[in-house]
Amino acid sequence: KAGVTQTPRYLIKTRGQQVTLSCSPISGHRSVSWYQQTPGQGLQFLFEYFSETQRNKGNFPGRFSGRQFSNSRSEMNVSTLELGDSALYLCASSLGLVATNEKLFFGSGTQLSVL
Amino acid sequence: AQTVTQSQPEMSVQEAETVTLSCTYDTSESDYYLFWYKQPPSRQMILVIRQEAYKQQNATENRFSVNFQKAAKSFSLKISDSQLGDAAMYFCAYRPPFNYGGSQGNLIFGKGTKLSVKP
Repeated sequence: KAGVTQTPRYLIKTRGQQVTLSCSPISGHRSVSWYQQTPGQGLQFLFEYFSETQRNKGNFPGRFSGRQFSNSRSEMNVSTLELGDSALYLCASSLGLVATNEKLFFGSGTQLSVL
Repeated sequence: AQTVTQSQPEMSVQEAETVTLSCTYDTSESDYYLFWYKQPPSRQMILVIRQEAYKQQNATENRFSVNFQKAAKSFSLKISDSQLGDAAMYFCAYRPPFNYGGSQGNLIFGKGTKLSVKP
């Protein structure tokens, strides 16, 4: 069974641009969560999607958004990029909602650099 | 607010030896989950071990075991017979209980401990 796939692996953007990251969960998994990882702040929760609906959201500005498609694939979008958005963005999938004690399976992340 | 603290930014262990990574957390909840994740250079977070707070017995997974001290809010990871492949960042994580109108159960991570394994 294929694992969680994130594309692209690396991305370089400039300030003010917008970016879209993609995540394909493990087949059969319906929940997708996104985390931001930086050296200073560590891993921080962005949001969780389940059955195409955002179920949970972390403390990030509205520039960070996401969506989930009917096949459970998810995208996250960051608009008006700032230097501080440079980070590793990790996606994780689970069979059901994280709150129901489902195990999370992570992808290898997308490394975003904002210049 | 719930927090997770890993006081050891870096640790080193000799191959075949045992090492213990520390983690403390702060919560007022009684029912929650604790995790240790490993992140090798490939960047993929891999679940090492999981502990339910309502279980008194410490979780074990092959060479990995935890020392869960609920009253002290401590959750350390012991790696026995360390192998070169154990070298990675290790993250302790806490998941609060789900409650309507409040926490939806997302993971709260510590800042991590970088483990080096010497041959």
